[in-house]
Amino acid sequence: DTAVSQTPKYLVTQMGNDKSIKCEQNLGHDTMYWYKQDSKKFLKIMFSYNNKELIINETVPNRFSPKSPDKAHLNLHINSLELGDSAVYFCASSQGLLDPIQPQHFGDGTRLSIL
Amino acid sequence: DAKTTQPNSMESNEEEPVHLPCNHSTISGTDYIHWYRQLPSQGPEYVIHGLTSNVNNRMASLAIAEDRKSSTLILHRATLRDAAVYYCILRPSLPHNAGNMLTFGGGTRLMVKP
Repeated sequence: DTAVSQTPKYLVTQMGNDKSIKCEQNLGHDTMYWYKQDSKKFLKIMFSYNNKELIINETVPNRFSPKSPDKAHLNLHINSLELGDSAVYFCASSQGLLDPIQPQHFGDGTRLSIL
Repeated sequence: DAKTTQPNSMESNEEEPVHLPCNHSTISGTDYIHWYRQLPSQGPEYVIHGLTSNVNNRMASLAIAEDRKSSTLILHRATLRDAAVYYCILRPSLPHNAGNMLTFGGGTRLMVKP
């Protein structure tokens, strides 16, 4: 049973295009996240959502727009893709925004390559 | 935010114990110490966490120094499947971590030799 699933696993597209990445979790968690891992392998938080509400936006360009239709889904839409957007994007979820000990569960990532 | 320092890489032989160190000299009294690992081509995976006392679970043990300025993740018998990047992360309690996010550093790349 996949806990946090992302689609697609690989995404290759041209600069300037608009694309979406979907994320779903079946753990019943109320908090979801998007992280970006760049070519140097550093993982950075992008967004944090709790009960469909945006909690944190870590200085991510406006071209990135997360959408949470319900607690189990957090999708990431990217407009006007740029070369620097090439990275691996990870979705994660956890239970309880206020609880610093609850572990986060990660998906296997979406590898985005911009040509 | 309190930061952590880890060696870039470590090597271990299969079936032997591995001690992965982490320094966090600026840790505050309400920061939890978490460890995650990332296997190749996968997302990070939770390993263990602690506050003051040593902790054990089925994956590993966490030894926390008395002054909490350092900790050590212990894999009791390394296997080839333990080859991964291990991240030591401090998680502040609210209100200092409003988004409940994880702040990853560079981690330690563990290589396990057969």
